[in-house]
Amino acid sequence: QSVLTQPPSASGTPGQRVTISCSGSSSNIGGNLVNWYQQLPGTAPKLLIYSNNQRPSGVPDRFSGSKSGTSASLAISGLQSEDEADYYCAAWDDNLKGVFGGGTKLTVL
Amino acid sequence: EVQLLESGGGLVQPGGSLRLSCAASGFTFSSHAMSWVRQAPGKGLEWVSAISGSGDYTYYADSVKGPFTISRDNSKNTLYLQMNSLRTDDTAVYYCAKGPPSVTIFGVVIPLPMDVWGQGTTVTVSS
Repeated sequence: QSVLTQPPSASGTPGQRVTISCSGSSSNIGGNLVNWYQQLPGTAPKLLIYSNNQRPSGVPDRFSGSKSGTSASLAISGLQSEDEADYYCAAWDDNLKGVFGGGTKLTVL
Repeated sequence: EVQLLESGGGLVQPGGSLRLSCAASGFTFSSHAMSWVRQAPGKGLEWVSAISGSGDYTYYADSVKGPFTISRDNSKNTLYLQMNSLRTDDTAVYYCAKGPPSVTIFGVVIPLPMDVWGQGTTVTVSS
């Protein structure tokens, strides 16, 4: 049981916009910054979004993040086949630990 | 180029011990928090432990508090995870990850976000 709650799966067709939600509590998302990671099959995770809505250098602007209260969202616009991956939200928890969502498997139909 | 290279994984019996290492290069290692994250087969990511740049602050997931110890040798640019009393549910790929420059805010060094990850080392706990 993960501390942060994500839908287990999401899907879309090429060119569509999809969103992935991440729900937490006041001790993690509510009071700290949210980060998102992309994990392609068989590879290590990659930082996709940090500090709620910032993209590291090299991440396409098709990826965007937002946060409101104790929830956060990752949006992917102009969906491409190479976006098929697992996506994880993460945050620091005031109980002095890092917490992840259970992950969302994105399928591009 | 920032690189992290984990080593030390392997097959160990329940109750046994292992020490994982993560050799870092391409950045000022002593300035950055570092973390260990694991992923059990077919499962999601689980944050395990983190340490500040100086090593003065350490944090652990409840699931590993006690048996696991994180440490670092800044003279060798290396991060460690000593794992004792291993259980079958500790079986996972263990990743080390680079965090932000260590800044102490109200006595806490937040080790997120983790912006660079190693390729992982596999730990299998089985009899």
